Amino acid sequence: LAKTTQPISMDSYEGQEVNITCSHNNIATNDYITWYQQFPSQGPRFIIQGYKTKVTNEVASLFIPADRKSSTLSLPRVSLSDTAVYYCLVGDLRTDKLIFGTGTRLQVFP
Amino acid sequence: EPEVTQTPSHQVTQMGQEVILRCVPISNHLYFYWYRQILGQKVEFLVSFYNNEISEKSEIFDDQFSVERPDGSNFTLKIRSTKLEDSAMYFCASSDSRGATEAFFGQGTRLTVV
Repeated sequence: LAKTTQPISMDSYEGQEVNITCSHNNIATNDYITWYQQFPSQGPRFIIQGYKTKVTNEVASLFIPADRKSSTLSLPRVSLSDTAVYYCLVGDLRTDKLIFGTGTRLQVFP
Repeated sequence: EPEVTQTPSHQVTQMGQEVILRCVPISNHLYFYWYRQILGQKVEFLVSFYNNEISEKSEIFDDQFSVERPDGSNFTLKIRSTKLEDSAMYFCASSDSRGATEAFFGQGTRLTVV
């Protein structure tokens, strides 16, 4: 399973765009990139998933370069409620488990 | 929006006692999971369950743990003889397809072993 590396923490202000980058240098051909969000004392929540190029949904965008060795989660115009831990996961859809790393703790200030 | 529900939200038990954590997955989902998160640490995979059998488990999921889907709606995690180090938040999750896809997590059960 590909190991991921992401910043331990990030700070932002309301209304700003936040980009969280994840490195996954040994990503395998069958691996997908998935991002989850976790609020304190709650279960993780799926945000977005992609394989290559760009994926966008109502919550975020995911940018994946051609070599797929990294990915960037982009949160447009964050609010205080976006304060959470964000996890980058890389895995094969044929496996039944999600491997969480330590995540990035995003703090949004007013 | 459909959700995974877990009961109880908090359970305190004495070391050596058996506990059963309960989960009601989303009704049309076929894949079920248990994860745990020790306070301040990573979310860790315990076990996945599909078609009434364990499909994958981690090294944490030893003989003290078992899972069951006793009926068409519940999914349970049993810890036979709890240890202090079993204290953690336990999350149930379900999905309609396997793998690192969109899994829906419950709010968790905080287990405290004293």
